[in-house]
Amino acid sequence: EAQVTQNPRYLITVTGKKLTVTCSQNMNHEYMSWYRQDPGLGLRQIYYSMNVEVTDKGDVPEGYKVSRKEKRNFPLILESPSPNQTSLYFCASTPGSVGWTEAFFGQGTRLTVV
Amino acid sequence: TQLLEQSPQFLSIQEGENLTVYCNSSSVFSSLQWYRQEPGEGPVLLVTVVTGGEVKKLKRLTFQFGDARKDSSLHITAAQTGDTGLYLCAGARYGQNFVFGPGTRLSVLP
Repeated sequence: EAQVTQNPRYLITVTGKKLTVTCSQNMNHEYMSWYRQDPGLGLRQIYYSMNVEVTDKGDVPEGYKVSRKEKRNFPLILESPSPNQTSLYFCASTPGSVGWTEAFFGQGTRLTVV
Repeated sequence: TQLLEQSPQFLSIQEGENLTVYCNSSSVFSSLQWYRQEPGEGPVLLVTVVTGGEVKKLKRLTFQFGDARKDSSLHITAAQTGDTGLYLCAGARYGQNFVFGPGTRLSVLP
């Protein structure tokens, strides 16, 4: 089954404690991205990757890092989480040029930073 | 300031009613997509429209892309409780990533 898998689904952590949210896709897609979803703001892109070893900032990259060492994996790293990073996070993958093709989303990771 | 605005923000209707939700921008998009998101899940694509003035139908859902490629609408005929969810539009800008609107949260009551 074609899917995007995120882990964990839920995470509560303390300010400053480094964490990683994993994302894996089994569709051989080149393009992957991370979004955060906040009430009234919709989905905002954090980082994206157009292929292995190619990553770029989205609209809200501050406080986040990503890596793309393999095509299927695109982890999101919070080196020093802060309460304003409490949000619902989604990983997505698309086969190619965005906007023309379907974005497949993971089930989301609800992060709470206290 | 949102690049894409959606209205209404919330909508609660009875089963069987018709409704229209809107997605507006001052920017021109090369294509526009509509997604539906259910609680606890990621968004799922409903449709992609790419031509100004284009109308697409998906069973009881009708999608329209504005002639100027700046806006879109989603019309649902005879809403069902299964239509409940968050409806998101996403616009692809020429040479750039697509952006999402804030969404319309639809609740269809039995």
